[in-house]
Amino acid sequence: RKEVEQDPGPFNVPEGATVAFNCTYSNSASQSFFWYRQDCRKEPKLLMSVYSSGNEDGRFTAQLNRASQYISLLIRDSKLSDSATYLCVVNSNSGYALNFGKGTSLLVTP
Amino acid sequence: ETGVTQSPTHLIKTRGQQVTLRCSSQSGHNTVSWYQQALGQGPQFIFQYYREEENGRGNFPPRFSGLQFPNYSSELNVNALELDDSALYLCASSPSSLNLNTEAFFGQGTRLTVV
Repeated sequence: RKEVEQDPGPFNVPEGATVAFNCTYSNSASQSFFWYRQDCRKEPKLLMSVYSSGNEDGRFTAQLNRASQYISLLIRDSKLSDSATYLCVVNSNSGYALNFGKGTSLLVTP
Repeated sequence: ETGVTQSPTHLIKTRGQQVTLRCSSQSGHNTVSWYQQALGQGPQFIFQYYREEENGRGNFPPRFSGLQFPNYSSELNVNALELDDSALYLCASSPSSLNLNTEAFFGQGTRLTVV
């Protein structure tokens, strides 16, 4: 079983839509959780960290459920520029490595 | 711009050859990690260097090796290249390996094609 599993996607949504991505992780000892964004053929960039209490950054809201080992990302009012691959990331058992999900592709259309 | 630079950006090698990829970490960062990203997959952790010592290793064979220099730049070496080694190789630097919540800053990657 992979350590981090994500919705396979792709998600095709119209501008202005709300879209949610889900992710599960297998290591209950994980302590750090992130969403990274990766544009086509570019490097991953941190979108936001995910905290137990949930956190929001503008149109983006991240939630963490430790009991279910589940992470989510909600994007409201989608923009064309949100089109990218979204990677769910959890720190490894050892703590020094990041475990990435396969990524979920989002395409926002006019 | 993250301040993490990798070279070369693209590379084509023949099966069985050896390759060296380079990474300059962001100023003030003493930790460098390397990741392999195959097409359609998320990045996979190869290893991490902290103050010139290997700090941890993922599930990669010994033909993947590395170095970190006193200025914290790093090299990834791959011997006996195989077709499956074709991937985007990403270098990430961070201020410390000890803080789990520290953001990792990625370079633009080296796209390696093995033919």
